[in-house]
Amino acid sequence: AQSVTQLGSHVSVSEGALVLLRCNYSSSVPPYLFWYVQYPNQGLQLLLKYTSAATLVKGINGFEAEFKKSETSFHLTKPSAHMSDAAEYFCAVTRISGYSTLTFGKGTMLLVSP
Amino acid sequence: EAGVAQSPRYKIIEKRQSVAFWCNPISGHATLYWYQQILGQGPKLLIQFQNNGVVDDSQLPKDRFSAERLKGVDSTLKIQPAKLEDSAVYLCASSPGGGGTDTQYFGPGTRLTVL
Repeated sequence: AQSVTQLGSHVSVSEGALVLLRCNYSSSVPPYLFWYVQYPNQGLQLLLKYTSAATLVKGINGFEAEFKKSETSFHLTKPSAHMSDAAEYFCAVTRISGYSTLTFGKGTMLLVSP
Repeated sequence: EAGVAQSPRYKIIEKRQSVAFWCNPISGHATLYWYQQILGQGPKLLIQFQNNGVVDDSQLPKDRFSAERLKGVDSTLKIQPAKLEDSAVYLCASSPGGGGTDTQYFGPGTRLTVL
């Protein structure tokens, strides 16, 4: 079975500060990992995904994440927060083989203050 | 290209009533997913279709939930009868294939409130 744990249901940063959202995964087989963002009253949008090509993955809107197998982590970072980054962020895992059934974490709400 | 369309966007019903949601995936996408997102939680897969066939419905409460995908395109999800705990956002997503690297594209969701 696969699972992800997102540490912190809410993270608050000031505009211009570093954003760090934490995700740890559990998987008995090599995983694929994803970060999605959800704005209020909207569906989820893919930020980035790890598919074993490179451990440092760059995504949209200046976000990036690093896959660390030894730490079973896939933390999401952005050097400088913008007000428009305020949203809920979900980490998800799936297995490499077979159909892509995503298992999501509980989400982290990012709050950005001026 | 057009995104995943869902309707209605909001629905309020009384418990024990029935309700249906509709989803139109991105054109050409073979795989369609229905997720349930309860407030404060991440989306949970209810059912996954590959073209016309069901690939995974292990978490679908089959005594009250049903889903079908018409001619491998549109899909409907039905709840009959609804319970209070069914209050959630129901998300539809689609992807070109069904493999692990596929990006899933999500619709805006239907927010269901059961009173």
